[in-house]
Amino acid sequence: DIVMTQSPLSLAVTPGEPASISCRSSQSLLHSDGNNYLDWYLQKPGKSPQLLIYLGSNRASGVPDRFSGSGSGTDFTLKISRVEAEDVGIYYCMQDLQMAYTFGQGTKLDIK
Amino acid sequence: VQLVQSGAEVKNTGESLQISCQASGYNLNYYWIGWLRQMPGKGLEWLGIIYPRDSDTRYNPSFQGHVSISVAQSSNTAYLQWRSLRASDTAIYFCARHTPQTGTDFWGQGTLVTVFS
Repeated sequence: DIVMTQSPLSLAVTPGEPASISCRSSQSLLHSDGNNYLDWYLQKPGKSPQLLIYLGSNRASGVPDRFSGSGSGTDFTLKISRVEAEDVGIYYCMQDLQMAYTFGQGTKLDIK
Repeated sequence: VQLVQSGAEVKNTGESLQISCQASGYNLNYYWIGWLRQMPGKGLEWLGIIYPRDSDTRYNPSFQGHVSISVAQSSNTAYLQWRSLRASDTAIYFCARHTPQTGTDFWGQGTLVTVFS
């Protein structure tokens, strides 16, 4: 299985300030088609997860442009340019290059 | 697009169970439907995924043989089944629509399964 490792595992951010989450995979997620098969999800408290970013850097429909994804190969980053109160929850990266798809441990975002 | 899951279940170890996920608002033939598990206070795990058009099914090796995934195209419904539940199957189970090119973009509301030993 591909092992996904996130850091930090928790962070507290003042509203309006930026936040960044790192995700590292145990093997490259860069496919021969040129895509990185890495997604980002947010699970708000008591809710189903929601897709934020797919193929490493593409924002999903309806996702605010303060969210951005970058990286290639084995190192990826999710950035929130200006955190808002509604962004609290647990952020997961996930590889869908090969089944079994695997998630990182999750990063809990709180508001200061 | 909507994925509506069946309601919460309470079972005993050794019992069988089938939960469902009814999809609407899109053509099932062009998207995978996956099942995921979230144990209490823990992260997300994929159990497996099925392509309704031809029932091509891929399992996470960690769950293969313990669960089975199927789909009924006539009712746009996917199923997750256990023949013999364990206490460790206690979790919330999500179904979700997926393609590798667009991510897991729609999720069901989750089904809580509680198994007593």
